[in-house]
This record gives sequence, C-alpha cells and structure tokens, in this order.
Amino acid sequence: AQSVAQPEDQVNVAEGNPLTVKCTYSVSGNPYLFWYVQYPNRGLQFLLKYITGDNLVKGSYGFEAEFNKSQTSFHLKKPSALVSDSALYFCAVREGHDYKLSFGAGTTVTVRA
Amino acid sequence: KAGVTQTPRYLIKTRGQQVTLSCSPISGHRSVSWYQQTPGQGLQFLFEYFSETQRNKGNFPGRFSGRQFSNSRSEMNVSTLELGDSALYLCASSLESGSGANVLTFGAGSRLTVL
Repeated sequence: AQSVAQPEDQVNVAEGNPLTVKCTYSVSGNPYLFWYVQYPNRGLQFLLKYITGDNLVKGSYGFEAEFNKSQTSFHLKKPSALVSDSALYFCAVREGHDYKLSFGAGTTVTVRA
Repeated sequence: KAGVTQTPRYLIKTRGQQVTLSCSPISGHRSVSWYQQTPGQGLQFLFEYFSETQRNKGNFPGRFSGRQFSNSRSEMNVSTLELGDSALYLCASSLESGSGANVLTFGAGSRLTVL
C-alpha cells in the first residue's frame, strides 16, 4: 500500500529565508510524487511532480523538490520565501497504475514579514 | 479553458437527509476523482470514475455513492447524513494517459455542513 508522511504540522519562516517542507513516502514499486498547495476556501493547486529522471524537479512559483530514493523523501523547497507563500501544502504519491492519489496530512506554512 | 466546476459551493443539511454534489470536469478530461477533506482526517479518497465506470473506491460506508455520465460530468451522493459527514468535498479531473503520472486538477470544493 502506498502512503505519505509529512512530519511537520507547521513550518514558520521569515520572508526572504529558505523554505523547506518535508515529505517521506512508502510504496512497493516506483513512485509518482506530487506537491499541491491549498489557499483558504480554495481547492488544491498543482505545484510540481516527479516521474523519473532528474532528482531535482522545478515547479510553479519558484518551488522545487528533491527526490531521494535512498531516504524515500521528496522535500519541497523554495530559496526565498514570500508572505504570499503562506498556505497549506500537501505531498501526494501514486504507485504505478493505481488510480488513487494518496495525500499526506498537510503542512501549514506561515511566512512572516 | 474552464476549470473544474463544483456545485453547490456551500450547503447546510440536517442529520438523516441526503445530499447530491455535482462536478463538471475540464473539457476533454475523462477521469474524475472525489476526495473528502476534514481537519481531523485530512484528504481521504472517496472514488474515481473513468468512462462511466468506477475504477477505485476508498474506505467509506455504502452511504457514499457516485456516478459519472457520458459527458464525464460526475455526481456524488451521501444518504442518511451524519454529523461527521461535515466536510469539504473536492472533485478533481485528469486526462487518462495510463502512466500514473496524471496531474489532478481540483475544483474549489463543496462545503457541506450537517446540523
């Protein structure tokens, strides 16, 4: 069975500082990994995905994520956080041809001015 | 290009009633998935439809059901509502490439409150 863990409920950073949101996954085969962001009273917005190939994936709004197979991690990063990055972030995994996308519990990011 | 449209956006029901939620996917998207989002349980997978067939179902009681029409529009129904059914119900659509790398595009959700 596939699963995702986001070990931090909340991440607080100052504007301009680097932002990291952690994610680890568990699958029995090759994973497809995703990051989504949710703003209040909105649906989820896609940020980036890892399928195969380069371990560093670049996505929307200056975000990137690093796939680490040995540590089964897919951490989301942004070199310089903005106040507007404050939101709820979800990591998700899909295994092979499984039609279900499994989400982590989410991490609330607060960027202070 | 229109996004995923969910209706209604907000609704209030009482225990024991039933509710039907509607989802119109992005044009050309044939796969529709439903998720329940609550503060305590997070995002829980309900079911996924493709070409009017349910391909996968999450661990929800039989009170939760869904269907997909020939135009890919989907509905989900919850019967005999309970207080715990209060949640944000999210619909997502995607192209079907068969690779597992499909990106889900989410609607804004339907906020259900059960009193």
